[in-house]
Amino acid sequence: EVQLVESGGGLLQPGGSLRLSCAASGFTFSSYWMHWVRQAPGKGLVWVSNINSDGSSKTYADSVKGRFTISRDNAKNTLYLQMNGLRAEDTAMYYCARAWSVGFDMWGQGTMVTVSS
Amino acid sequence: QSALTQPPSASGSPGQSVTISCTGTSSDVGGYNYVSWYQQHPGKAPKFMIYEVSKRPSGVPDRFSGSKSGTTASLTVSGLQAEDEADYYCSSYAGSSNWVFGGGTKLTVL
Repeated sequence: EVQLVESGGGLLQPGGSLRLSCAASGFTFSSYWMHWVRQAPGKGLVWVSNINSDGSSKTYADSVKGRFTISRDNAKNTLYLQMNGLRAEDTAMYYCARAWSVGFDMWGQGTMVTVSS
Repeated sequence: QSALTQPPSASGSPGQSVTISCTGTSSDVGGYNYVSWYQQHPGKAPKFMIYEVSKRPSGVPDRFSGSKSGTTASLTVSGLQAEDEADYYCSSYAGSSNWVFGGGTKLTVL
């Protein structure tokens, strides 16, 4: 089955760090660009970051630049998002998504990150 | 990276057509034919509905169509059905490997 499964979310205090994972299966992970997209409770989708197929090119939204790092391990078919210096406004459901053309054709079920004191 | 502008809500009766707009700038919607649309039911992940302005992925009913004029893209849902009730989001490539989403539109089937 073709799927993406996120993990690693949780509750943590402002300033903390967390690493999210996205395990891919059912397709050739190493051939695809990948993205992270987040959605605060009751709010809209916001693009966070993307990485090209071999991990050599990474881009970030201004709101997370310098705090978040995207990476991938093609041998493990896994995408990561290292999040440092977390703020209350980073509270959201985090989705990984596969790139298709210039869109996002497959999404995981999401993992929830809550930043609160 | 400002969000694209969508109306907060839209509605229509079963069998009718409804159009949702998505307004950006010359740096995103107006600059590229790379607008995509997503359907999201409550508590679910988004679903890929339209890409490159008007192309439908395999499995998406042809009741869903997309178009663009200048800096405004549109999603039209024809022959509304109860299961079309959901949130809809547009997205556009914004250059330099950046993407931007719209704020979302809640579609209600009356």
